[in-house]
This record gives sequence, C-alpha cells and structure tokens, in this order.
Amino acid sequence: EPEVTQTPSHQVTQMGQEVILRCVPISNHLYFYWYRQILGQKVEFLVSFYNNEISEKSEIFDDQFSVERPDGSNFTLKIRSTKLEDSAMYFCASRAFVGQPPGNEQFFGPGTRLTVL
Amino acid sequence: AQSVTQLDSHVSVSEGTPVLLRCNYSSSYSPSLFWYVQHPNKGLQLLLKYTSAATLVKGINGFEAEFKKSETSFHLTKPSAHMSDAAEYFCVVTYNNAGNMLTFGGGTRLMVKP
Repeated sequence: EPEVTQTPSHQVTQMGQEVILRCVPISNHLYFYWYRQILGQKVEFLVSFYNNEISEKSEIFDDQFSVERPDGSNFTLKIRSTKLEDSAMYFCASRAFVGQPPGNEQFFGPGTRLTVL
Repeated sequence: AQSVTQLDSHVSVSEGTPVLLRCNYSSSYSPSLFWYVQHPNKGLQLLLKYTSAATLVKGINGFEAEFKKSETSFHLTKPSAHMSDAAEYFCVVTYNNAGNMLTFGGGTRLMVKP
C-alpha cells in the first residue's frame, strides 16, 4: 500500500542553524501539507501546497519557513534559522485530487521529531 | 475560526469493554469531520470520516462515530476494545470542501487493560 515517508525520523540541531525536513508524498497525489505538534500541544496546520505554490498558510508559517518541491517526488520544509520553540514533531501529508468532493482524506507520514538545542 | 475539543486527554478501558472517545466541534457552515489514529512511531491513519451523508459513520477496525448536529458532537465508539486499539486518537474538522486545512483536537490517549 502506498504511503507517505519522511526523513529523518529525528533531527537534532543547534539554535540558529538551518534545517530541511524531507517528505516523499504518495506518487499520484497533488496536494501537500505540513503540520507540526509541539510536545503536549495540538497538531497545528502550517502550510498547504498545490501546483508548485503555497495555497494556504497559517500564522505560524512566517518568513523563517519555506517549502519546495524540488523534483517530482520530494516535498521539503526548510526552517532558515531555528529557534528553541521550533522543537516539535513535523508531519507531512498528501492528498489526491479527485474533483471537489468534501472531506478528501489526507495521508500522513510518520513525522520528523525536530529538537533544537 | 474552526475548533475541535476532545473532552478526555486519557481514557482507560478493559479489553472487551466498550470504548467512547468524545469530540465536540465549533459550528460554522457544514463541517467535514474525521477521526485519525496514531500508533507509536507511526503516521496518522484515517479511521473514518463524515462528509454530510449518513450521520452514523462506520470505519475500520470496528469503530464508528455519529454526527449529531444539535449537540455539535462526533463521538467515536467501539463495542469491544482490543489490546491493539491502544493508541492516540485525534478528532479533526475541516470546513473547506476542497479539504485543505485540517484543525485537530488535542488528542485522546486510549489505554486498554488486559
């Protein structure tokens, strides 16, 4: 069964460093997402991406964050200068485009745990 | 703004007894509602979804949920818990029919005792 994969599973970095989190969405999917979950808090939406551009983003997704689909398979989240409060589990998700039915399922990866020291 | 409240952060049941995980959502337009489950070191897996069809929704692994508009609730139930049901469960809502931004509840950790 196709699945979303994420690498690395755990990333440790120093404050101020740049990190890139990688995701491989399901191959025929066209919508891509990043969410994060700070320890003990809710899963929060960061950004959605379609047709090579951001379609929606939250207030969390400020200028320190960027997303890219550098090739036909990867979807990346870059944090330019990490802060302590960026420590969280980051989930990638993808969704197939099947017209406009409500409630299209998003398929999630296992997450990358980012620890900023 | 859309929001979801899961009323219990932890639920503990004995194997073979019923499971009830409670969820309430804020009411603004017609929601699409989901329950996702997360087992340790795994991604979020869809259990079931409500998208304005039947109000009683059946999902995988014997779970079901009932959409009650009058109570703005979407509680998850299972008649008989199994040890493998122990996991974190998330109630999720979206009001955008294109299915973009999902809003998550805080999660309920289900523990199943032998």
